[in-house]
Amino acid sequence: LAKTTQPISMDSYEGQEVNITCSHNNIATNDYITWYQQFPSQGPRFIIQGYKTKVTNEVASLFIPADRKSSTLSLPRVSLSDTAVYYCLEGSSNTGKLIFGQGTTLQVKP
Amino acid sequence: NAGVTQTPKFRVLKTGQSMTLLCAQDMNHEYMYWYRQDPGMGLRLIHYSVGEGTTAKGEVPDGYNVSRLKKQNFLLGLESAAPSQTSVYFCASRWGDPYYEQYFGPGTRLTVT
Repeated sequence: LAKTTQPISMDSYEGQEVNITCSHNNIATNDYITWYQQFPSQGPRFIIQGYKTKVTNEVASLFIPADRKSSTLSLPRVSLSDTAVYYCLEGSSNTGKLIFGQGTTLQVKP
Repeated sequence: NAGVTQTPKFRVLKTGQSMTLLCAQDMNHEYMYWYRQDPGMGLRLIHYSVGEGTTAKGEVPDGYNVSRLKKQNFLLGLESAAPSQTSVYFCASRWGDPYYEQYFGPGTRLTVT
């Protein structure tokens, strides 16, 4: 199962939209992309999952282009409480494995 | 509905000692996972299970064993603890494909001296 690649860190300001991109060049046909958020001293929390095109829920949007080699998590109007580590995962439908990448540390400034 | 619980929350072991970490979920999930997270690092998959009675190796399985005798429980064993196993251990569970939302426990902080 190929690991995903993300930027190590990003900075933003309150009220801005943040887009975090993940590369998964060798994604398998049946695999899904999921994103998680982790605060210090806590377990990760699921944000969103998608297969193709765009998915939106109450906290984020996920865009996956037709070739599915990358995905972009979009957080609208971030606040200080969105400061966290964000992980992109490729979910294997063949094995059940879920491998975390290195994650992106998002720092939201006032 | 407690979700995913982990026992114990903290533990200090001496090198060579053994212990078992217990993960329990009350959501009737098929899949369960054990991860470890070292300070400042991401999560690494140790072992996982896709159903009662099944287990499979993850990225870093050496030095650990697991068992899933009951659907709701997933045990992680350290037979002979080493300082390199000092970490925070997270358990997670999910329904199964195509649902990839994992529910995580609060973690077990293990120190091996």
